[in-house]
Amino acid sequence: QLQLQESGPGLVKPSETLFLTCTVFGGPISSRGYYWAWIRQPPGKGLEWIGSIHYTANTFNNPSLKSRVTISVDTSKNQFSLKMRSLTAADTAVYYCARHRRQQLDDAFDVWGQGTMVTVTS
Amino acid sequence: DIQMTQSPSTLSASVGDRVTITCRTSQTISSWLAWYQQKPGKAPKLLISKASSLESGVPSRFSGSGSGTDFTLTISSLQPDDFATYYCQQYNSYSYTFGQGTKLEIK
Repeated sequence: QLQLQESGPGLVKPSETLFLTCTVFGGPISSRGYYWAWIRQPPGKGLEWIGSIHYTANTFNNPSLKSRVTISVDTSKNQFSLKMRSLTAADTAVYYCARHRRQQLDDAFDVWGQGTMVTVTS
Repeated sequence: DIQMTQSPSTLSASVGDRVTITCRTSQTISSWLAWYQQKPGKAPKLLISKASSLESGVPSRFSGSGSGTDFTLTISSLQPDDFATYYCQQYNSYSYTFGQGTKLEIK
């Protein structure tokens, strides 16, 4: 059974850079028809897609965050990562990694990690 | 950007009720719409993709319909486990957005 696990710091200072990693267990990250995504949810609010990456390193990101976000993949470790720069309090959220199913006529986030809370505070 | 309007934001219902949640997009998205269920402190769970395709393991009391700009999620007979928050999500031109969410509460 496929499982995803986020890891990274729970506290980050304003203006600093956030690094999160998602490790994929139970299947290869180099699966055809799948991308791998980051999605976040501020406390008490809705969901926001951050970006998605294929194992070939093809990526596409949310235009509203694009200049601050870099997503990368390491197939040797079965991991993908998020780097987000210039953090502010508005970036405080639960960050989820998810498998992004992108197949013919089908596009959805079908397997999710448990999420990791990131708080931006001085 | 495509705007999404999900309604209602809160819905009070009883076990056994039939409920419907609506999602409207500002531009046509064909059938590129998914529905998720989220319980407090948990990650969202995919229920339906392609507007009406039920995920494996999801009870058949859940159903989705619609295309273009108007979509619905229907729960035919509410069960205690169904009280949660539901989100729609659209895909268009390499961009993904979620609705604001509908909190389904016990009446």
